[in-house]
Amino acid sequence: QQQVKQSPQSLIVQKGGISIINCAYENTAFDYFPWYQQFPGKGPALLIAIRPDVSEKKEGRFTISFNKSAKQFSLHIMDSQPGDSATYFCAASRNQGGKLIFGQGTELSVKP
Amino acid sequence: KAGVTQTPRYLIKTRGQQVTLSCSPISGHRSVSWYQQTPGQGLQFLFEYFSETQRNKGNFPGRFSGRQFSNSRSEMNVSTLELGDSALYLCASSLRVNYEQYFGPGTRLTVT
Repeated sequence: QQQVKQSPQSLIVQKGGISIINCAYENTAFDYFPWYQQFPGKGPALLIAIRPDVSEKKEGRFTISFNKSAKQFSLHIMDSQPGDSATYFCAASRNQGGKLIFGQGTELSVKP
Repeated sequence: KAGVTQTPRYLIKTRGQQVTLSCSPISGHRSVSWYQQTPGQGLQFLFEYFSETQRNKGNFPGRFSGRQFSNSRSEMNVSTLELGDSALYLCASSLRVNYEQYFGPGTRLTVT
């Protein structure tokens, strides 16, 4: 019940395309869902986060869509750029923060 | 404002030894969490500290311990190192408990 399942494991997108990464969770007590971006040799960087009282949140080219009934949330990267090539992690926690439960990660490659 | 700093960045230890890793949170942040990142298990929560008190602990053996000082700096210790402890150890700080977490670059520990 503590798991967060992330898919796909890897993703190749052409420059200018839309990258979509999906996550699913079981624990209905989760109330905070952040996405992190990690480049090789760096720590994860907080990208965008959402709470279950909204169905969508957009920041620049990054959008989180949240489906509470399906217990799923996804990250959409519009107009994907080669600089977006990184590993993306979804996560979930109770009480906004605290112990983050991470998905297994998606390695995104954006081809020029 | 400076980010989360972790020292050392790289460490090589021998099986059976112990190791201490250090984390300095973002100025003004009072909560520190630690995570272990490995290719096989992904990102796993170790523990969380606030005001020098451990608030939360992950499913790791007692060989893993930590502490937080009055200036919010934190250390984690791993005793009797095993080969499987080789990982990237990440520290994350947040303004307070249950708030957005910001990660440092990590300490890469190799156990031989």
